Amino acid sequence: AQSVTQLDSHVSVSEGTPVLLRCNYSSSYSPSLFWYVQHPNKGLQLLLKYTSAATLVKGINGFEAEFKKSETSFHLTKPSAHMSDAAEYFCVVSGGSYKLIFGSGTRLLVRP
Amino acid sequence: DTGVSQDPRHKITKRGQNVTFRCDPISEHNRLYWYRQTLGQGPEFLTYFQNEAQLEKSRLLSDRFSAERPKGSFSTLEIQRTEQGDSAMYLCASSAGQGHSPLHFGNGTRLTVT
Repeated sequence: AQSVTQLDSHVSVSEGTPVLLRCNYSSSYSPSLFWYVQHPNKGLQLLLKYTSAATLVKGINGFEAEFKKSETSFHLTKPSAHMSDAAEYFCVVSGGSYKLIFGSGTRLLVRP
Repeated sequence: DTGVSQDPRHKITKRGQNVTFRCDPISEHNRLYWYRQTLGQGPEFLTYFQNEAQLEKSRLLSDRFSAERPKGSFSTLEIQRTEQGDSAMYLCASSAGQGHSPLHFGNGTRLTVT
């Protein structure tokens, strides 16, 4: 069985400061991991994916995530937050089957 | 690529009525998924298809829920005898079916059961 735990339900940062959204996963198989973003009243959009290639994955809009097997983590980072980054972020795992399991989400607030 | 299309966008129904939602995936995608999302929660897996075969169904999906994908293209999700607890956003997604491919989501159907 697989699951993800997003360690923070809300994260608040100032514009221009770094962003860290934390995610731990559990999987009986070698996992594929994803981050999705959901802006208010908009559909889910893929930010980035890890599928057993490079452990540091770069995504859209300056986001990146690092797969750390020893820590079972896949944290999402961005060097400098922008107001337009305010949204809900979901960490997602896919393991033995092809269903994707979503975390409960982290709401990112960006203060001017 | 016209994206994943869902119809209707909104549905309001009375408790006890049946409702049916439709999803048209991206045309070359052979996997199709249904998820349910309630306010403040992440999407919850309901079921998925590989072509016309329904390969997995969540244990959370009661017998009142049924999904079909008869020709391996569009899919329908039916909820019979709706309950207030069924109120949620129902999301459809599709993927290319090559390994663990990312999902492309539609904008969802918002169901309100009164």
